[in-house]
Amino acid sequence: KAGVTQTPRYLIKTRGQQVTLSCSPISGHRSVSWYQQTPGQGLQFLFEYFSETQRNKGNFPGRFSGRQFSNSRSEMNVSTLELGDSALYLCASSWWTGGMQETQYFGPGTRLLVL
Amino acid sequence: AQTVTQSQPEMSVQEAETVTLSCTYDTSESDYYLFWYKQPPSRQMILVIRQEAYKQQNATENRFSVNFQKAAKSFSLKISDSQLGDAAMYFCAYSSMDSNYQLIWGAGTKLIIKP
Repeated sequence: KAGVTQTPRYLIKTRGQQVTLSCSPISGHRSVSWYQQTPGQGLQFLFEYFSETQRNKGNFPGRFSGRQFSNSRSEMNVSTLELGDSALYLCASSWWTGGMQETQYFGPGTRLLVL
Repeated sequence: AQTVTQSQPEMSVQEAETVTLSCTYDTSESDYYLFWYKQPPSRQMILVIRQEAYKQQNATENRFSVNFQKAAKSFSLKISDSQLGDAAMYFCAYSSMDSNYQLIWGAGTKLIIKP
């Protein structure tokens, strides 16, 4: 079974631009979560989507948004990029069974550099 | 709020020897999940081991085992017969219904394997 895939793997943008990152989950997984990893803040939860609905959101400004499609693929968008948005963005997919989220499996990440 | 603490920023071990990475957490929940993830230089986050809090038996996966002390809120990872490929950042993570199953992460421990 194919793992979680993320595109693009690397991205360079300038301040003020916007960016869209894509994540394709493991087949059969309907939950997709996004995390930001930076040297200063470590790993932080951005949001989670399940069946095209955002179910949970972390403490990030409204410039960070996402969506999920009917095939469970997810995109996250960051508008008006700031230097501090430079980070590794990780996507994870999982099942939900019995009201509980199962183990999250991660993609290779997208490394975003904002100049 | 739940927190996860990894007090060892860096550890080193001789190849073929055993090393233990420490993790403590704080929660008022009785039912939760604990994970160790490995992040090698490729940056792909890889699940090493998972422990359900309701299970008294410590989880084991080949050379990797945990020492789960629920009362002490301690969750250490033991790596036996260390191999060069074990060199990576190791992250301890927590999730529970109270956190909407989003992963709450420790700061990570960098493991160096000496040949």
